[in-house]
Amino acid sequence: GAGVSQSPRYKVAKRGQDVALRCDPISGHVSLFWYQQALGQGPEFLTYFQNEAQLDKSGLPSDRFFAERPEGSVSTLKIQRTQQEDSAVYLCASSLAPRNIQYFGAGTRLSVL
Amino acid sequence: GQQVMQIPQYQHVQEGEDFTTYCNSSTTLSNIQWYKQRPGGHPVFLIQLVKSGEVKKQKRLTFQFGEAKKNSSLHITATQTTDVGTYFCAGKSNFGNEKLTFGTGTRLTIIP
Repeated sequence: GAGVSQSPRYKVAKRGQDVALRCDPISGHVSLFWYQQALGQGPEFLTYFQNEAQLDKSGLPSDRFFAERPEGSVSTLKIQRTQQEDSAVYLCASSLAPRNIQYFGAGTRLSVL
Repeated sequence: GQQVMQIPQYQHVQEGEDFTTYCNSSTTLSNIQWYKQRPGGHPVFLIQLVKSGEVKKQKRLTFQFGEAKKNSSLHITATQTTDVGTYFCAGKSNFGNEKLTFGTGTRLTIIP
């Protein structure tokens, strides 16, 4: 596709359940970012990959959050033992190279009950 | 850590009136970007400013980067209903870090 694709678009999880969110960046884009956007707030940085290397994970809120991009393309954000405070929209963005414009996907809306 | 604040948080204007949102960073930025997010949508890139004092225009939108590279503004002339949405500034620090720190956003609603 032409843009950043995220799946699923919506995810409802029971508290304590593990979830996996997928991001397909724009083909050829080297950099990939994950952000968390709570209702009524701006996106907050979670982690950043350059190819398969995770260069910055300073925004991950706890060790329950884990991200990977094993082949430098598709990325997965995993949240273990979900809590209610994890409810948010998780946005993925990619850019052609470092310092380039970031293009955002439509996001995955996670609701933890 | 770096903080980016925007004012106002909300703005309601009559169609045809002007609108301005202001962005202030706690630290000096290497560049600043502006995004628009429609209700239920995702952030869409509008523009990037890099140079101190830079001013860029896109039709009815005027973007400005402060001389100290710590503040920025977005001004919309003669608003239209299509301008509805939340406008975010997002800054990159001077330390080579690629992450964007987003502002708190200004939500614009238009009264027809």
